Amino acid sequence: AQSVTQLDSQVPVFEEAPVELRCNYSSSVSVYLFWYVQYPNQGLQLLLKYLSGSTLVESINGFEAEFNKSQTSFHLRKPSVHISDTAEYFCAVSDHSGTYKYIFGTGTRLKVLA
Amino acid sequence: DADVTQTPRNRITKTGKRIMLECSQTKGHDRMYWYRQDPGLGLRLIYYSFDVKDINKGEISDGYSVSRQAQAKFSLSLESAIPNQTALYFCATSGTDRGPYNEQFFGPGTRLTVL
Repeated sequence: AQSVTQLDSQVPVFEEAPVELRCNYSSSVSVYLFWYVQYPNQGLQLLLKYLSGSTLVESINGFEAEFNKSQTSFHLRKPSVHISDTAEYFCAVSDHSGTYKYIFGTGTRLKVLA
Repeated sequence: DADVTQTPRNRITKTGKRIMLECSQTKGHDRMYWYRQDPGLGLRLIYYSFDVKDINKGEISDGYSVSRQAQAKFSLSLESAIPNQTALYFCATSGTDRGPYNEQFFGPGTRLTVL
């Protein structure tokens, strides 16, 4: 069975500071990995995904995540955050078995302070 | 217009009442999902459907039922609501053109309170 662990439930950070949101997964098979973002009172939106190939993936708004197979991690980073990045971030995995299901982590609430 | 819509957006009901949450999509996707979100627990899958005739239980299906009325519509029912079903409910859809790694698209959510 697969599982996803997001170690930090809340991360406060000052504006323009760097941030890392941690995600570790457990799976006995190859996986696809995703980060979703949920802004206040909204549904989830895909931020970025790792399917194969380059282990470093980037989003259009400056976030990046690196797939590390040996450490079974997919941490999300941004070198300089903005107030508008305040949101909840969810890591998710989907396996290659064709079940098409996601397993979500418990979420990390990022609060950017002025 | 939103691609995935959910009605109602907010609902307050009483214990024992039957309630239906509806989801519609205009993305033409075959796969549809229902999740519930609870603080500190993330999203958990209730039911999912790969087409109109294919419905499957997720990890927390007890107390819930679903109906896939058409490719575009997927409804979630609580036959007899109880307070611990108070949560934020999300519908999601995904296509099939890229195999298992099609991203899921989420509706805006329905906030359900059971008193």
